Amino acid sequence: QLVLTQSPSASASLGASVNLTCTLSSGHNNYAIAWHQQQPEKGPRFLMKLNGDGRHSKGDGIPDRFSGSSSGAERYLTISSLQSEDEADYYCQTWGTGAAVFGGGTQLTVL
Amino acid sequence: QVQLVQSGAEVKKPGSSVKVSCKSSGGTFNSHGINWMRQARGQGFEWLGGIIPLFGRPNYAQKFQGRVTIIADKSTSTVYLELSSLTFEDTAVYYCARGAEAGAMAAALDCWGQGTLVTVSS
Repeated sequence: QLVLTQSPSASASLGASVNLTCTLSSGHNNYAIAWHQQQPEKGPRFLMKLNGDGRHSKGDGIPDRFSGSSSGAERYLTISSLQSEDEADYYCQTWGTGAAVFGGGTQLTVL
Repeated sequence: QVQLVQSGAEVKKPGSSVKVSCKSSGGTFNSHGINWMRQARGQGFEWLGGIIPLFGRPNYAQKFQGRVTIIADKSTSTVYLELSSLTFEDTAVYYCARGAEAGAMAAALDCWGQGTLVTVSS
C-alpha cells in the first residue's frame, strides 16, 4: 500500500535552515512526490515536484530558498534562510493507480 | 498561467447533496486531470476522486464510491463534484487541483483552487 509518512512537527530559528522529511512506504522507493505549503487559514500552494533521483522542478514564483533532494525512500524539503512567512504546514503528495495520496503534514514553527 | 476558481460556500442539511464547481482558465483544460480533495478543520487532505476531461471517465476513492460524482463540462472548462447523503462528518473545505502531467489522472498537483467550505448542519 502506498503511504507517505511525515513527522507532525518541526521547528527552526529565523534565518536558519530546516529539512523536512517525507518517507515512502516499502516497495515505492522510486516514486516521485510533490511538496505543498499551506500557510495558516490559506489554501495549499504547490512548491515542487521531486523525483527519486533528486531532480526537482519548482512552481512559479517559488524562491530559491526552497529546494528538494532524495535518498532511497526519503524525500526532503530544505528551506534555507527561514523567514516568518515560512511558518506553515507542509504536505508531501504522491500518486499511484490514478489516485493521489497525501502525507499527514508537518507543522513548521519558525522561532 | 492556469487558474482554478471554485464556487462559493455551502450550508447543507444532513442527507442532502452538494455540488461544487471548479472553473479552469489560462491553460490546457482537456488533457490534465482535475482532482478533488477535502480537508476537515485541523486535519490533512483526503482525496475523493478525479477526472481527465478529454476522456470523461472519473476515478473515485473507494471510500466515496456510490456517494460521489465528478463530471467535466468541456464547453465551459468546468469540473463539478457532487457528494450525496451528507453527514456532519462531510463538513470540510473542498479543493480542486490540477495534475501537472497531461494524460495522467493523478500527478503532482501544480495548481489549486481557492477552496469551498461545505458545512453540514441541521
